Parts: sequence; structure tokens; C-alpha cells
Amino acid sequence: GDSVTQMEGPVTLSEEAFLTINCTYTATGYPSLFWYVQYPGEGLQLLLKATKADDKGSNKGFEATYRKETTSFHLEKGSVQVSDSAVYFCALRSNTNAGKSTFGDGTTLTVKP
Amino acid sequence: GAVVSQHPSRVICKSGTSVKIECRSLDFQATTMFWYRQFPKQSLMLMATSNEGSKATYEQGVEKDKFLINHASLTLSTLTVTSAHPEDSSFYICSARDAGATEETQYFGPGTRLLVL
Repeated sequence: GDSVTQMEGPVTLSEEAFLTINCTYTATGYPSLFWYVQYPGEGLQLLLKATKADDKGSNKGFEATYRKETTSFHLEKGSVQVSDSAVYFCALRSNTNAGKSTFGDGTTLTVKP
Repeated sequence: GAVVSQHPSRVICKSGTSVKIECRSLDFQATTMFWYRQFPKQSLMLMATSNEGSKATYEQGVEKDKFLINHASLTLSTLTVTSAHPEDSSFYICSARDAGATEETQYFGPGTRLLVL
């Protein structure tokens, strides 16, 4: 079945540091890939997405590239801020599994001033 | 952008009672809604897929008689936790698929935190 594996946390960085959160997946067909962000006590918000190989999703300084050859969708940001502290989830939505989404376990990011 | 609301945002109930959680798509029609459960510091677990006008499809291991799902209209799905027990305490999140979007898009609600005493 479909699965998503993302970097274990927690991740603690200083403000303005470079961020990478690794995400790899296994899926049948051609999934769409997503990064969601969850702030404390809130639901999920879509951060960015990519629907086909070599697409790059970007939003709020975050970006991730859909790499079919390595089945990866790593999240990066060049300079993190304290306000980026949250839990980040990598997810895929298969086009062959009734559109169900599969989520990674989440990575908690804490950015210190 | 599209908005999905959930009500209530937080509920505390006694063991043995039933709790209903509503999920609404506010500015689009959703033929399909999904219900997830999230334990502290864990990922989302899909419980069921709710299709308007038909029975929900439950994931393996989810008791359909305990977690009743009704998707009576294109903008509303409800999850009722029947005879709730402390182990049902969790964060319940719904998502809705925009039926009218050219690109399949799923929007998440803000979640409902259930605490069963």
C-alpha cells in the first residue's frame, strides 16, 4: 500500500537557519504530493503541493520538488523564522486509491530567536 | 480560498454519552468528505470516507457502529461518536473535496478536540 516516510523530529533551529525536512514515499500510480503545516491546537493547512514529476511547489519561502527517480519530496526553506514553528506533514494522494490521502508521521519544528 | 468548518471546536463529555461533530464546506459543494483521527504527537489516521447520499466507507479497524457518519447534503457531514469512552478522546479532523474544482482539491477543517471523562 501507499506510505510516506518523513524525517523524525523534533527539529530545533535558530532563526535564519536553513531548513530541510526529508520525505520519501511509496505509491502505486502517479500520486500528488503535499506538505501540510499544523500550528498548535489547529487543523492542517496546505503549505504547498506538486502534482507531477519535476514539479516544484512553493509558498511562503518553502519549496519542495517532486522527484520521481528518488521518490522524494523534501521540504526546504532558506531562512526560517520563529513563526515557522509548527508540525509539518508530508502527504500523498494516490490517483488509484479512491483519492485517499496518506500522511507521514509529522516533524515538529521549533525555531528559536 | 475554500473554507471548511467544524463544530464544536472542543467538547467534553461523560463516558457513555454520544457526541456529534459537524463538518461543513462553507463556499463549495463537497460530494466527498473524509474523517481523520489524530492522537497527540502522531499523524492523521483516516477513519472513513463519506460520500453524499450513500453509506460511508470505513477503514479497516474502525467500528462503523461506534463512529456513525452521515453525509446528508453536499455541504454537511456529521460524525457521531456513540457511547463514548475515554479511549475515544482525540482530535478529529474532517476534510472536504471540492466537487467543482478543475483540479482535485481537498480542504481541511480546523479539527474538534474530544475529551471523554
